[in-house]
Amino acid sequence: DTAVSQTPKYLVTQMGNDKSIKCEQNLGHDTMYWYKQDSKKFLKIMFSYNNKELIINETVPNRFSPKSPDKAHLNLHINSLELGDSAVYFCASSQDHNEQYFGPGTRLTVT
Amino acid sequence: GNSVTQMEGPVTLSEEAFLTINCTYTATGYPSLFWYVQYPGEGLQLLLKATKADDKGSNKGFEATYRKETTSFHLEKGSVQVSDSAVYFCALTASGAGSYQLTFGKGTKLSVIP
Repeated sequence: DTAVSQTPKYLVTQMGNDKSIKCEQNLGHDTMYWYKQDSKKFLKIMFSYNNKELIINETVPNRFSPKSPDKAHLNLHINSLELGDSAVYFCASSQDHNEQYFGPGTRLTVT
Repeated sequence: GNSVTQMEGPVTLSEEAFLTINCTYTATGYPSLFWYVQYPGEGLQLLLKATKADDKGSNKGFEATYRKETTSFHLEKGSVQVSDSAVYFCALTASGAGSYQLTFGKGTKLSVIP
């Protein structure tokens, strides 16, 4: 019974391609997030969705677009991938201000 | 803005040694404070939390006390095990625009040797 799941776990692609990462949570939480972890393990918030509405949009390139078809899903679409997009992307969810539950991560490698 | 500063790693300890990982924060209002742990190849797991001043969070032998006067939330464990080897992140949430985004420290890698 995975609480927060992400697919794929690994994604290797070439520069210029478009790719998507999917996230699903079965916890009934209202808020979902995307974080980026760089090669030095630094974690930074990218997006947050509350009840299907974007409420945080940190200064990420507009090549990144989150899509939330319902409150249990928050997908991340990336256009025109660049080398610097290589990182581990984590999805998370929470209910109000309680702790956030993280997915296992998607390791994206752009060649 | 909000920020979290934690001690730089890596930290290498022998089994059964005492562990302290320092964490200080800057935030407006009254943040909630967290320690997350990331084992190799895995996602983040909540280790413990504290939501108001003087609260002590504890789990699996780890403890941290929310100190408002020193804006600190140091992580401690009396006797570490090899299985505690991981990266530890101090984090806070503070309300804003209806969301509670986590602001993380840079992480401290702990290696425990037998």
